Amino acid sequence: QLQLQESGPGLVKPSETLSLTCTVSGGSISSGSLYWGWIRQPPGKGLEWIGSIYYSGSTYYNPSLKSRVTISVDTSKNQFSLKLSSVTAADTAVYYCARSTIAVAGRIVYWGQGTLVTVSS
Amino acid sequence: DIQMTQSPSSLSASVGDRLTITCQASQDISKYLNWYQQKPGKAPKLLIYDASNLETGVPSRFSGSGSGTDFTFTISSLQPEDIARYYCQQYDKLPFTFGPGTKVDIK
Repeated sequence: QLQLQESGPGLVKPSETLSLTCTVSGGSISSGSLYWGWIRQPPGKGLEWIGSIYYSGSTYYNPSLKSRVTISVDTSKNQFSLKLSSVTAADTAVYYCARSTIAVAGRIVYWGQGTLVTVSS
Repeated sequence: DIQMTQSPSSLSASVGDRLTITCQASQDISKYLNWYQQKPGKAPKLLIYDASNLETGVPSRFSGSGSGTDFTFTISSLQPEDIARYYCQQYDKLPFTFGPGTKVDIK
């Protein structure tokens, strides 16, 4: 059974870079035709897709965040990561890592449990 | 971006009731719509994909229909474990976007 687990600091200062890692177990991150991605949810609010990375390395970002976001994969560790620069309080959210079904980026089947990141000085 | 709207924003129903949630896209998204269930403190769970296909392992009391801009999600017989917030999500165009959610409670 595929499992995803987010890790990273729970508190980030304004203007700094938020960095999260998602560790994948029960499957290989380099398996063909898979999309890995990040979604966030501000406390008490709805879901926002941040971006996805294809197994080949191609990336797709939400234009609203594109200038600040980087998603990358480390196949040697079976992990992928999120970096969000120049954070503000508006970036406070639960961040989920996720995997889509084979070849369909938008059908998000597997989710991590989520990790709350608070932006505050 | 494609905007997704849902109605109602919340509803209360009795166990055994049939309930329906609607989702509307700001432009034609064909069949590329998912429905997710999110319980408090948990990650969303995919229930319906491609507007009307039941994800593996999801109870058959859940169903979806629609295409283009108008979609419907139905629980045929509400169960206590169905208390959650339900979101629609389009994946016809990037960026993928979600509706604001519908909170379902037991009356």
